[in-house]
Amino acid sequence: ETGVTQTPRHLVMGMTNKKSLKCEQHLGHNAMYWYKQSAKKPLELMFVYSLEERVENNSVPSRFSPECPNSSHLFLHLHTLQPEDSALYLCASRGRNTEAFFGQGTRLTVV
Amino acid sequence: TQLLEQSPQFLSIQEGENLTVYCNSSSVFSSLQWYRQEPGEGPVLLVTVVTGGEVKKLKRLTFQFGDARKDSSLHITAAQPGDTGLYLCAGSLLVNSGGSNYKLTFGKGTLLTVNP
Repeated sequence: ETGVTQTPRHLVMGMTNKKSLKCEQHLGHNAMYWYKQSAKKPLELMFVYSLEERVENNSVPSRFSPECPNSSHLFLHLHTLQPEDSALYLCASRGRNTEAFFGQGTRLTVV
Repeated sequence: TQLLEQSPQFLSIQEGENLTVYCNSSSVFSSLQWYRQEPGEGPVLLVTVVTGGEVKKLKRLTFQFGDARKDSSLHITAAQPGDTGLYLCAGSLLVNSGGSNYKLTFGKGTLLTVNP
């Protein structure tokens, strides 16, 4: 138990569906991250939120839309995804110059 | 350009063998973390090193931070099948002179398989 909780753990969605991934942390951290991890590829940083403000967006397609309503919650809204978007999506949180703690991930399959 | 280079990328060994994996950079980090990740799960923090030359031990795992805080190594003694996983290093970089903004960067990982 890392203190970072992601739901759902597994998600299968069609290319025309809309779904959302949720991440929650109660560690008092002020930064939250979304990463994508595809098979046999390194972690890819998607978005960074610091104090609820998006501070980094690494050229992620607009079919991925993040939302950070408060410092404890982070969402990733998914819309009209492609099969190549199938991956493990990881959320992490971090305090100022402290370690990052990861959630268990959401295994997403786009069919 | 990969800021943190991990080597080897893949490692397959027999139970009982020793191994070392490396994490190298030309940048100076304020701290460095090692994580282990099992398939389908999120990375789990193993250790944080902060001081140049620091050595930390976690049972059969020994972590070392380079004197210049640019590199680190992870040594496993008498590896066991339960050590199998992806080992990731991550460095924390100060990105502004005010000392308040740190960026975290990950290596590509070393995939370790320990065969019984």
